[in-house]
Amino acid sequence: SQTIHQWPATLVQPVGSPLSLECTVEGTSNPNLYWYRQAAGRGLQLLFYSIGIDQISSEVPQNLSASRPQDRQFILSSKKLLLSDSGFYLCAWSADFSYEQYFGPGTRLTVT
Amino acid sequence: LAKTTQPISMDSYEGQEVNITCSHNNIATNDYITWYQQFPSQGPRFIIQGYKTKVTNEVASLFIPADRKSSTLSLPRVSLSDTAVYYCLVGDLGTGANNLFFGTGTRLTVIP
Repeated sequence: SQTIHQWPATLVQPVGSPLSLECTVEGTSNPNLYWYRQAAGRGLQLLFYSIGIDQISSEVPQNLSASRPQDRQFILSSKKLLLSDSGFYLCAWSADFSYEQYFGPGTRLTVT
Repeated sequence: LAKTTQPISMDSYEGQEVNITCSHNNIATNDYITWYQQFPSQGPRFIIQGYKTKVTNEVASLFIPADRKSSTLSLPRVSLSDTAVYYCLVGDLGTGANNLFFGTGTRLTVIP
């Protein structure tokens, strides 16, 4: 069966510090991968999606970037965090580019 | 992008059937309707997806009238563990990832 992992589970970072969040998927090959952010009390906002290695599409202009160095690895990064980057970051995968997505446990990021 | 409208919150007693309706008046021909469930501090979980009429799985049923301008997620005999936020998504990803939009959903509270 397929499993999706995210780490760390929680993170507290000062403004201006870098960020690296990692997501890996097991049990499937060539998944579509997604990064979402959920601010407190809000819906999910799609940040990036990837249909293959080194194929990243950005949906929202921001100071974040994403990379996919391996088929089942998706990384979310920032060079300098802003207070507004605080939120719950979720990685998801799907077998094809579809609404049937499977989410990881999430990373709660607090920028102080 | 087919905009969706859901009630902000609903309360139900344990053991009752719960129906959550989503309005999507400008749904397009190729759009599918997808529902997710999200517990606090967890990623959303895919529940059900449909195009027209009725779809049923082990968790829920999805009713879609002929005009497809609304849909109803039906949860039979809810329990306390069904307390969660439920999201309705409508769209066709073939036209772009901007259709991957989770609104604020419906917060269902099951009362003992």
